[in-house]
Amino acid sequence: QKEVEQNSGPLSVPEGAIASLNCTYSDRGSQSFFWYRQYSGKSPELIMFIYSNGDKEDGRFTAQLNKASQYVSLLIRDSQPSDSATYLCAVRGGYNKLIFGAGTRLAVHP
Amino acid sequence: ETGVTQSPTHLIKTRGQQVTLRCSSQSGHNTVSWYQQALGQGPQFIFQYYREEENGRGNFPPRFSGLQFPNYSSELNVNALELDDSALYLCASSSPGTSISNEQFFGPGTRLTVL
Repeated sequence: QKEVEQNSGPLSVPEGAIASLNCTYSDRGSQSFFWYRQYSGKSPELIMFIYSNGDKEDGRFTAQLNKASQYVSLLIRDSQPSDSATYLCAVRGGYNKLIFGAGTRLAVHP
Repeated sequence: ETGVTQSPTHLIKTRGQQVTLRCSSQSGHNTVSWYQQALGQGPQFIFQYYREEENGRGNFPPRFSGLQFPNYSSELNVNALELDDSALYLCASSSPGTSISNEQFFGPGTRLTVL
């Protein structure tokens, strides 16, 4: 079992819709969770971090954490073509390292 | 822009050669982590340097080695290159400590191709 699992996609949504990206993790002791966006050929950029159960909102982005189910999600409201990218879920491990999933490719079509 | 820089941007090497990649951390950050990202995969942790010493290592062989300098910049060295070493190499800097939200800031990466 991989430590962090994501559906590779592609997830295709129409412009203006809500995109829902999901991630599960195996270490029940994990406390910090991150969502990164990565455009093709570029490095990851942090969108959200979350460490408390429930929802955390920042603009069009909402991160959701359910530690009992070991599940993290990212919702993108009013999706735009510029949101088309790969979204990486990461969990903090020992030495402050990040353990990444393989990423979900999102395609927002006009 | 995160303030983390990496050089070179692209590099082509042949099997068996050695390569050195460089990273300058963001101002005020004294911890540097290196990641390898193969095509279609998420970044994989190679190792971390704090105060010029290796401070944690992922599942990579000893031919992957590193250095950190007094100004907190860092090098990643890979000996005896293999075809599977072809990847995007990412450097991330962070401040020390155990803050639950301690963020890592990624540089633009170095694309290494091994032929």
